[in-house]
Amino acid sequence: GENVEQHPSTLSVQEGDSAVIKCTYSDSASNYFPWYKQELGKGPQLIIDIRSNVGEKKDQRIAVTLNKTAKHFSLHITETQPEDSAVYFCAAIRYQGAQKLVFGQGTRLTINP
Amino acid sequence: DTGVSQDPRHKITKRGQNVTFRCDPISEHNRLYWYRQTLGQGPEFLTYFQNEAQLEKSRLLSDRFSAERPKGSFSTLEIQRTEQGDSAMYLCASSLLTGTGNEQFFGPGTRLTVL
Repeated sequence: GENVEQHPSTLSVQEGDSAVIKCTYSDSASNYFPWYKQELGKGPQLIIDIRSNVGEKKDQRIAVTLNKTAKHFSLHITETQPEDSAVYFCAAIRYQGAQKLVFGQGTRLTINP
Repeated sequence: DTGVSQDPRHKITKRGQNVTFRCDPISEHNRLYWYRQTLGQGPEFLTYFQNEAQLEKSRLLSDRFSAERPKGSFSTLEIQRTEQGDSAMYLCASSLLTGTGNEQFFGPGTRLTVL
């Protein structure tokens, strides 16, 4: 089955700097890669996603890149703000079958003012 | 609020008791998923429904766990004879299966503590 590895487990950056979180996946049939933000006591919130036919996607300060050959994808947050502090999860999924999300272990991002 | 809702938000129970959680998905969504999240980990898939049919269950879902979605709308997850190892956040997600995507939207979760 699919296995998703996420790094780093914790990340601390100064407000205004950029943050990058990286994930690798094992199943070459995976074709959809969402990123979730989870704040304390809340459920995961979908913030951006990318499909396997696209190499990069941007939404304001957030971007995701995908390298299908290397089977890795990354989340980039620019101009970080204190409200970006949270735990971020990457996930991988195949459109066929159950389409169950397989999550990485999470990255706790702290933005220092 | 038209998002996914879950009830209760918190449940404390004694070992051996039965508990039931409810999930109300986004109204037009035909798929409903249950995940379990333990502290410091990502959510893990438990089971999912397409309309009222339960189509897959994880090995994590022991015989003590049962889930239903009787009319293809809300779903319930029951845990019988709870154990301390069942303590976790139980998350529900829903999606609209289309030809182009399957974005899953999560509810706030039910945090279960088994004493």
